[in-house]
Amino acid sequence: QVQLQESGPGRVKPSEPLSLTCTVSGVSIRGTTYYWVWIRQPPGKGLEWIGSIYHSGSTFYNPSFKSRVTMSVDSSKNQFSLTLTSVTAADTAVYYCARPSEETFLEWSVGLDVWGQGTTVTVSS
Amino acid sequence: QSVLTQPPSVSGAPGQRVTISCTGTSSNIGAGYGVHWYQKFPGKAPRLLFYENNSRPSGVPDRFSGSKSGTSASLAITGLQAEDEADYYCHSYDTSLSASVFGGGTRLTVL
Repeated sequence: QVQLQESGPGRVKPSEPLSLTCTVSGVSIRGTTYYWVWIRQPPGKGLEWIGSIYHSGSTFYNPSFKSRVTMSVDSSKNQFSLTLTSVTAADTAVYYCARPSEETFLEWSVGLDVWGQGTTVTVSS
Repeated sequence: QSVLTQPPSVSGAPGQRVTISCTGTSSNIGAGYGVHWYQKFPGKAPRLLFYENNSRPSGVPDRFSGSKSGTSASLAITGLQAEDEADYYCHSYDTSLSASVFGGGTRLTVL
């Protein structure tokens, strides 16, 4: 059974970078052809796609984040990561890592059927 | 403001059928992109209910079904149960934004 678990600081100061890691268990990132995805939900708001990364390292980012987002994969640790720079209070949210329902396809094509439990990040000084 | 528009709330009595709409444009649903639906309880991760317009993950009751027509999609829930009370989100792709997009969410209340 595939499981995802987010980890990272619960609080980040404004203008500093936010870094989160998603640890994958039950399947090898290196041995499959899934995309790996980050989604967030600000308090009282809806879901927002941040970006997706292929096992090879190819990335697709939400243009609304401009150049603030970077994602990476560490196959040796079976993890993938998110870094969001120059954070403001608007980046306060629950951050989820997730996986599409089928290999090779991006999340918008086949939906996301495996999710982490989410981690709350508060941007505050 | 989401590019996929959902009603903020819907309600229904136990046993009834309710539908939740997701209205898009020619840049997303109308362009032929698939629509996926999620159920979300407060403090929990979303659960995929229906994807690619016509597929249901294993374990999801067949009381949940999706459909699409033109620039809109709908999630139908039949035989409404108290446990269905949750937030529901639609999800697709918008070619003008070059982004995966979600609806604003609909809160379902079981009366």
